[in-house]
Amino acid sequence: RKEVEQDPGPFNVPEGATVAFNCTYSNSASQSFFWYRQDCRKEPKLLMSVYSSGNEDGRFTAQLNRASQYISLLIRDSKLSDSATYLCVAYKLSFGAGTTVTVRA
Amino acid sequence: GAVVSQHPSWVICKSGTSVKIECRSLDFQATTMFWYRQFPKQSLMLMATSNEGSKATYEQGVEKDKFLINHASLTLSTLTVTSAHPEDSSFYICSAVEGVEDNQPQHFGDGTRLSIL
Repeated sequence: RKEVEQDPGPFNVPEGATVAFNCTYSNSASQSFFWYRQDCRKEPKLLMSVYSSGNEDGRFTAQLNRASQYISLLIRDSKLSDSATYLCVAYKLSFGAGTTVTVRA
Repeated sequence: GAVVSQHPSWVICKSGTSVKIECRSLDFQATTMFWYRQFPKQSLMLMATSNEGSKATYEQGVEKDKFLINHASLTLSTLTVTSAHPEDSSFYICSAVEGVEDNQPQHFGDGTRLSIL
């Protein structure tokens, strides 16, 4: 079983829609979690850290569910520029394969 | 802040050539840097952890004699792909962490696209 698993998608959503997806992790000892965004053929860029209490950054909301061992990312009011692959990371250093989101006009 | 520079961004070489990739933290000191490889539509795969002043720690299945890592200073780590072959063609990305705490995010370089003919 992979340490971090994600639904690869793709999630095709219209502009303005809300999209959410999860990432499950197998190592219950993981303490730190992050969401990264990776555009095609580019390096990952940190989107946000994931805190136990959940956190929000503009249109993006991240949640952590330790009991079920998953983290989630919700994007509200999707923009065309949100189209990317979203990678979750559970420390130490386990990346998910990414969830592809495509926002269409 | 937290800028990581990786060079070169694209390399095309003949089979048998050795290729060196540099990873620099520009505005912070990175005790630890990481080297990843990513094949198309796959996740980042950690190759090795590079610690300043000591030998790198390689992940299982990664040949240390094939992928030479040198972490000469707190701001520079290099990966040399020795005698590269077409199967080594991939996207290589480095990252660096500021500080030693586990809750610090990684900051990635731009990546190096390596194509071996």
